[in-house]
Amino acid sequence: EPEVTQTPSHQVTQMGQEVILRCVPISNHLYFYWYRQILGQKVEFLVSFYNNEISEKSEIFDDQFSVERPDGSNFTLKIRSTKLEDSAMYFCASSEDGNIYNEQFFGPGTRLTVL
Amino acid sequence: DAKTTQPTSMDCAEGRAANLPCNHSTISGNEYVYWYRQIHSQGPQYIIHGLKNNETNEMASLIITEDRKSSTLILPHATLRDTAVYYCIVGPYGSGNTGKLIFGQGTTLQVKP
Repeated sequence: EPEVTQTPSHQVTQMGQEVILRCVPISNHLYFYWYRQILGQKVEFLVSFYNNEISEKSEIFDDQFSVERPDGSNFTLKIRSTKLEDSAMYFCASSEDGNIYNEQFFGPGTRLTVL
Repeated sequence: DAKTTQPTSMDCAEGRAANLPCNHSTISGNEYVYWYRQIHSQGPQYIIHGLKNNETNEMASLIITEDRKSSTLILPHATLRDTAVYYCIVGPYGSGNTGKLIFGQGTTLQVKP
Protein backbone atom coordinates (compact mmCIF):
# COMPACT_ATOMS: atom_id res chain seq x y z
CA GLU A 1 0.00 0.00 0.00
CA PRO A 2 1.45 3.42 -0.92
CA GLU A 3 2.45 5.63 1.97
CA VAL A 4 3.86 9.03 2.78
CA THR A 5 7.44 8.90 3.97
CA GLN A 6 9.37 11.49 5.94
CA THR A 7 13.04 11.96 6.70
CA PRO A 8 14.71 12.24 9.07
CA SER A 9 12.66 10.63 11.81
CA HIS A 10 14.43 12.76 14.39
CA GLN A 11 16.37 15.99 13.87
CA VAL A 12 18.32 17.75 16.59
CA THR A 13 19.56 21.26 15.88
CA GLN A 14 20.89 24.32 17.61
CA MET A 15 18.78 27.42 17.96
CA GLY A 16 19.29 29.72 15.00
CA GLN A 17 20.23 26.95 12.60
CA GLU A 18 18.35 26.14 9.41
CA VAL A 19 16.61 22.79 9.05
CA ILE A 20 14.98 21.10 6.11
CA LEU A 21 12.39 18.42 6.71
CA ARG A 22 11.71 16.13 3.81
CA CYS A 23 8.61 14.33 2.70
CA VAL A 24 7.80 12.04 -0.19
CA PRO A 25 4.03 12.18 -0.77
CA ILE A 26 2.11 9.41 -2.47
CA SER A 27 3.01 9.55 -6.14
CA ASN A 28 -0.31 10.45 -7.77
CA HIS A 29 -1.37 12.92 -5.10
CA LEU A 30 -1.81 16.59 -5.90
CA TYR A 31 -2.44 18.34 -2.56
CA PHE A 32 0.31 18.52 0.03
CA TYR A 33 0.26 19.68 3.63
CA TRP A 34 2.45 20.28 6.64
CA TYR A 35 1.14 20.07 10.19
CA ARG A 36 2.96 20.21 13.49
CA GLN A 37 2.26 18.90 16.97
CA ILE A 38 4.01 20.30 20.01
CA LEU A 39 4.40 17.63 22.68
CA GLY A 40 1.13 17.12 24.53
CA GLN A 41 -0.76 19.55 22.33
CA LYS A 42 -3.08 19.25 19.37
CA VAL A 43 -2.12 18.84 15.73
CA GLU A 44 -1.88 22.27 14.06
CA PHE A 45 -2.17 23.10 10.36
CA LEU A 46 0.81 24.95 8.92
CA VAL A 47 0.44 25.12 5.15
CA SER A 48 -1.21 23.60 2.12
CA PHE A 49 0.41 23.39 -1.31
CA TYR A 50 -1.16 22.76 -4.70
CA ASN A 51 -0.03 23.27 -8.27
CA ASN A 52 3.44 24.35 -7.12
CA GLU A 53 2.29 27.15 -4.90
CA ILE A 54 1.02 27.73 -1.39
CA SER A 55 -2.75 27.65 -1.34
CA GLU A 56 -3.18 28.48 2.33
CA LYS A 57 -1.00 29.06 5.37
CA SER A 58 -1.67 29.52 9.04
CA GLU A 59 -0.47 32.27 11.35
CA ILE A 60 2.24 29.92 12.57
CA PHE A 61 3.73 29.78 9.07
CA ASP A 62 5.65 33.04 9.20
CA ASP A 63 8.62 34.25 7.16
CA GLN A 64 10.90 31.74 8.85
CA PHE A 65 9.07 28.90 7.13
CA SER A 66 9.05 27.96 3.48
CA VAL A 67 7.96 24.98 1.43
CA GLU A 68 9.16 23.66 -1.85
CA ARG A 69 8.57 20.84 -4.25
CA PRO A 70 12.03 20.71 -5.83
CA ASP A 71 11.29 17.75 -8.06
CA GLY A 72 8.44 15.44 -8.90
CA SER A 73 8.63 13.48 -5.69
CA ASN A 74 9.90 15.49 -2.73
CA PHE A 75 8.08 18.09 -0.67
CA THR A 76 10.18 20.01 1.83
CA LEU A 77 9.61 22.28 4.80
CA LYS A 78 12.44 24.67 5.63
CA ILE A 79 12.80 26.58 8.85
CA ARG A 80 15.43 29.28 8.31
CA SER A 81 16.39 30.15 11.87
CA THR A 82 15.03 27.70 14.37
CA LYS A 83 13.69 28.76 17.76
CA LEU A 84 13.21 26.70 20.88
CA GLU A 85 9.45 26.83 20.36
CA ASP A 86 9.81 25.13 16.96
CA SER A 87 10.48 21.88 18.78
CA ALA A 88 7.63 19.61 17.73
CA MET A 89 6.58 16.67 15.58
CA TYR A 90 6.12 17.76 11.99
CA PHE A 91 3.74 15.75 9.85
CA CYS A 92 3.51 15.83 6.10
CA ALA A 93 0.26 14.79 4.43
CA SER A 94 -1.03 14.41 0.90
CA SER A 95 -4.34 13.81 -0.81
CA GLU A 96 -5.15 12.66 -4.31
CA ASP A 97 -6.58 14.07 -7.50
CA GLY A 98 -7.43 17.58 -6.35
CA ASN A 99 -10.66 16.61 -4.67
CA ILE A 100 -10.27 18.36 -1.36
CA TYR A 101 -12.86 16.11 0.24
CA ASN A 102 -10.60 13.12 -0.10
CA GLU A 103 -8.78 11.69 2.86
CA GLN A 104 -5.37 12.96 3.74
CA PHE A 105 -2.59 10.44 4.16
CA PHE A 106 -0.12 11.38 6.86
CA GLY A 107 3.51 10.45 7.16
CA PRO A 108 5.07 9.12 10.36
CA GLY A 109 6.46 12.53 11.27
CA THR A 110 9.81 14.12 11.98
CA ARG A 111 10.58 14.96 15.57
CA LEU A 112 12.45 18.27 15.63
CA THR A 113 14.35 19.15 18.78
CA VAL A 114 15.83 22.64 19.00
CA LEU A 115 18.46 23.10 21.70
CA ASP B 1 -10.56 26.88 16.73
CA ALA B 2 -12.10 23.50 16.18
CA LYS B 3 -15.81 23.52 15.48
CA THR B 4 -16.43 20.28 17.32
CA THR B 5 -16.88 19.13 20.91
CA GLN B 6 -15.82 15.67 22.02
CA PRO B 7 -15.48 13.98 25.41
CA THR B 8 -11.92 14.05 26.65
CA SER B 9 -11.68 10.33 27.26
CA MET B 10 -13.61 7.08 27.04
CA ASP B 11 -13.05 3.46 27.94
CA CYS B 12 -14.24 0.43 26.05
CA ALA B 13 -13.97 -3.29 26.70
CA GLU B 14 -12.13 -5.31 24.09
CA GLY B 15 -14.53 -6.95 21.65
CA ARG B 16 -17.34 -4.53 22.42
CA ALA B 17 -18.52 -1.67 20.24
CA ALA B 18 -16.96 1.72 20.89
CA ASN B 19 -19.31 4.63 20.30
CA LEU B 20 -17.56 7.99 20.12
CA PRO B 21 -19.81 11.05 20.09
CA CYS B 22 -19.13 14.43 18.53
CA ASN B 23 -21.09 17.66 18.61
CA HIS B 24 -20.82 20.06 15.69
CA SER B 25 -23.83 22.32 16.11
CA THR B 26 -22.44 25.12 13.90
CA ILE B 27 -21.72 22.91 10.89
CA SER B 28 -22.63 24.53 7.59
CA GLY B 29 -24.34 22.92 4.64
CA ASN B 30 -21.25 22.15 2.58
CA GLU B 31 -19.06 20.92 5.41
CA TYR B 32 -18.24 17.28 5.88
CA VAL B 33 -17.62 15.40 9.11
CA TYR B 34 -14.26 13.61 9.15
CA TRP B 35 -12.86 11.20 11.68
CA TYR B 36 -9.16 10.60 12.11
CA ARG B 37 -7.24 8.85 14.82
CA GLN B 38 -3.71 9.11 16.15
CA ILE B 39 -2.04 6.15 17.73
CA HIS B 40 0.67 7.14 20.19
CA SER B 41 2.14 10.18 18.37
CA GLN B 42 2.14 8.51 14.98
CA GLY B 43 0.76 10.44 12.05
CA PRO B 44 -3.01 10.83 12.10
CA GLN B 45 -4.88 8.15 10.20
CA TYR B 46 -8.06 8.72 8.26
CA ILE B 47 -11.03 6.63 9.34
CA ILE B 48 -14.16 7.82 7.59
CA HIS B 49 -16.08 10.89 6.47
CA GLY B 50 -19.64 11.81 5.60
CA LEU B 51 -21.91 14.67 4.65
CA LYS B 52 -25.50 13.71 5.43
CA ASN B 53 -25.93 9.97 5.10
CA ASN B 54 -24.58 7.34 7.40
CA GLU B 55 -21.38 5.78 6.13
CA THR B 56 -19.65 2.47 6.72
CA ASN B 57 -16.27 1.15 5.69
CA GLU B 58 -13.99 -1.63 6.80
CA MET B 59 -12.84 0.33 9.84
CA ALA B 60 -15.95 1.96 11.23
CA SER B 61 -19.44 3.35 10.83
CA LEU B 62 -20.41 7.00 10.96
CA ILE B 63 -23.87 7.98 12.09
CA ILE B 64 -24.86 11.60 11.43
CA THR B 65 -28.04 12.99 12.94
CA GLU B 66 -30.68 14.32 10.61
CA ASP B 67 -30.01 17.93 11.65
CA ARG B 68 -26.26 17.25 11.21
CA LYS B 69 -25.48 18.82 14.55
CA SER B 70 -23.88 15.70 15.96
CA SER B 71 -22.42 12.41 14.89
CA THR B 72 -21.18 9.14 16.33
CA LEU B 73 -18.24 7.05 15.22
CA ILE B 74 -18.77 3.35 15.87
CA LEU B 75 -15.95 0.83 16.04
CA PRO B 76 -17.99 -2.38 15.98
CA HIS B 77 -15.52 -4.70 17.73
CA ALA B 78 -12.83 -2.70 19.45
CA THR B 79 -9.41 -4.26 19.86
CA LEU B 80 -6.43 -3.17 21.93
CA ARG B 81 -4.91 -1.75 18.75
CA ASP B 82 -7.79 0.72 18.56
CA THR B 83 -6.48 2.55 21.63
CA ALA B 84 -5.81 6.03 20.25
CA VAL B 85 -6.89 9.66 20.20
CA TYR B 86 -9.92 10.04 17.93
CA TYR B 87 -10.52 13.36 16.23
CA CYS B 88 -13.85 14.55 14.88
CA ILE B 89 -13.21 17.30 12.33
CA VAL B 90 -15.61 19.45 10.36
CA GLY B 91 -14.40 20.95 7.12
CA PRO B 92 -13.03 21.95 4.73
CA TYR B 93 -12.84 25.47 6.01
CA GLY B 94 -12.99 28.81 4.33
CA SER B 95 -13.73 30.07 0.89
CA GLY B 96 -10.40 28.84 -0.41
CA ASN B 97 -11.33 25.25 0.30
CA THR B 98 -7.78 24.02 0.49
CA GLY B 99 -8.74 20.97 2.46
CA LYS B 100 -6.89 21.94 5.64
CA LEU B 101 -7.91 19.99 8.70
CA ILE B 102 -8.43 21.76 12.02
CA PHE B 103 -7.79 19.31 14.84
CA GLY B 104 -9.25 19.68 18.30
CA GLN B 105 -8.14 17.83 21.40
CA GLY B 106 -10.02 14.69 20.42
CA THR B 107 -11.21 11.77 22.53
CA THR B 108 -8.67 9.42 24.04
CA LEU B 109 -10.16 5.95 23.69
CA GLN B 110 -8.69 3.32 25.96
CA VAL B 111 -9.62 -0.22 24.99
CA LYS B 112 -9.24 -2.53 27.96
CA PRO B 113 -8.86 -6.32 27.98
